[in-house]
Amino acid sequence: DTAVSQTPKYLVTQMGNDKSIKCEQNLGHDTMYWYKQDSKKFLKIMFSYNNKELIINETVPNRFSPKSPDKAHLNLHINSLELGDSAVYFCASSQNSGFQETQYFGPGTRLLVL
Amino acid sequence: GESVGLHLPTLSVQEGDNSIINCAYSNSASDYFIWYKQESGKGPQFIIDIRSNMDKRQGQRVTVLLNKTVKHLSLQIAATQPGDSAVYFCAENYSPSAGYSTLTFGKGTMLLVSP
Repeated sequence: DTAVSQTPKYLVTQMGNDKSIKCEQNLGHDTMYWYKQDSKKFLKIMFSYNNKELIINETVPNRFSPKSPDKAHLNLHINSLELGDSAVYFCASSQNSGFQETQYFGPGTRLLVL
Repeated sequence: GESVGLHLPTLSVQEGDNSIINCAYSNSASDYFIWYKQESGKGPQFIIDIRSNMDKRQGQRVTVLLNKTVKHLSLQIAATQPGDSAVYFCAENYSPSAGYSTLTFGKGTMLLVSP
């Protein structure tokens, strides 16, 4: 009964390729997030969607495009992959985007760009 | 003891000891704080939270203390077990406007528990 799931778990690809990571939550939450965790374990928010609408878009290259087909799914498409994109990407969800909401994280997608 | 490693501060303790992990947060307007545990190869897992109108909250074997005056948060783990070995993150929640809040994570502390 995985609450927040991501696919794939591992992704190894060449520079310049385009790839997608998928995320699904079965918690009935309205809000979903993408985070990037670098090699030093630093976690930084990238995007947040509430009920399929973008509400947070941090300073992320426009090669990264999130898409939310419904409120249970938030996918991340990355164009023209670069070496610096190598990281672990975490999806998370919360009941809603408002006041003092706990976020629940998926298991992560480990992206390695060669 | 506590030391600053190449990447993460690391706290090494013996099984059965009590552990204290500290965190300094940055935004005095943050109103909600969460501690997460991240085991190797897994996503961050919620441990305990505290709202800004409290200074202490207890869970099972864990206690969080909040000192808003100096913007400091701590996580105390009683009778630490080898299964507690992980990276621990504090996170501060800030709501700049109604219906919208953002979570900012600290750098993380690695806890190593020796049997």
